[in-house]
Amino acid sequence: GAVVSQHPSWVICKSGTSVKIECRSLDFQATTMFWYRQFPKQSLMLMATSNEGSKATYEQGVEKDKFLINHASLTLSTLTVTSAHPEDSSFYICSARLAGGGETQYFGPGTRLLVL
Amino acid sequence: AQSVTQPDIHITVSEGASLELRCNYSYGATPYLFWYVQSPGQGLQLLLKYFSGDTLVQGIKGFEAEFKRSQSSFNLRKPSVHWSDAAEYFCAVSKGDDKIIFGKGTRLHILP
Repeated sequence: GAVVSQHPSWVICKSGTSVKIECRSLDFQATTMFWYRQFPKQSLMLMATSNEGSKATYEQGVEKDKFLINHASLTLSTLTVTSAHPEDSSFYICSARLAGGGETQYFGPGTRLLVL
Repeated sequence: AQSVTQPDIHITVSEGASLELRCNYSYGATPYLFWYVQSPGQGLQLLLKYFSGDTLVQGIKGFEAEFKRSQSSFNLRKPSVHWSDAAEYFCAVSKGDDKIIFGKGTRLHILP
């Protein structure tokens, strides 16, 4: 149980285009989802916390107009990287927390983004 | 502010040998503690977690961790490692219903 999927698993795009990444909780409902970014050989950095039906809370230094987050249902959150640039190339990982609380986050397999 | 320190960036052990990965945290109260494992190019898998109760926690894949409040530590152990254990290991802390703070990770290498 507690499986989280991400789509796509990898994406290559041209500079200036927008890319949407989906995060789904497959067998549970998640009121809260988290988006992380991971650079090579580094730890995960939290970008934003996404709550179903409300605006996402962004961490300091993360541009909310560049990284658009939508959490329209209890099983789906999306991250859109707008006007992507090569420096946005990274590994993006989402996680989901069970509805009703609970401290454990379940992580997706990640999406590797390469901006040319 | 909460923080997590994993002092070893790389650890190399022989297959079949025992393993201990260190983790120290900084937090004002008893935190929620986690160990996650990440294989190359993959997401994170939860190995084990500590919230309260018995300070020795058993996890998946034969891993265990011990919470020591006096040392602010939550070290991960395994009595006998397998080649498939080679991966990146992250210690993490949270206040509970809040965001998780990750350590920088320890990369485990296994010698045949």
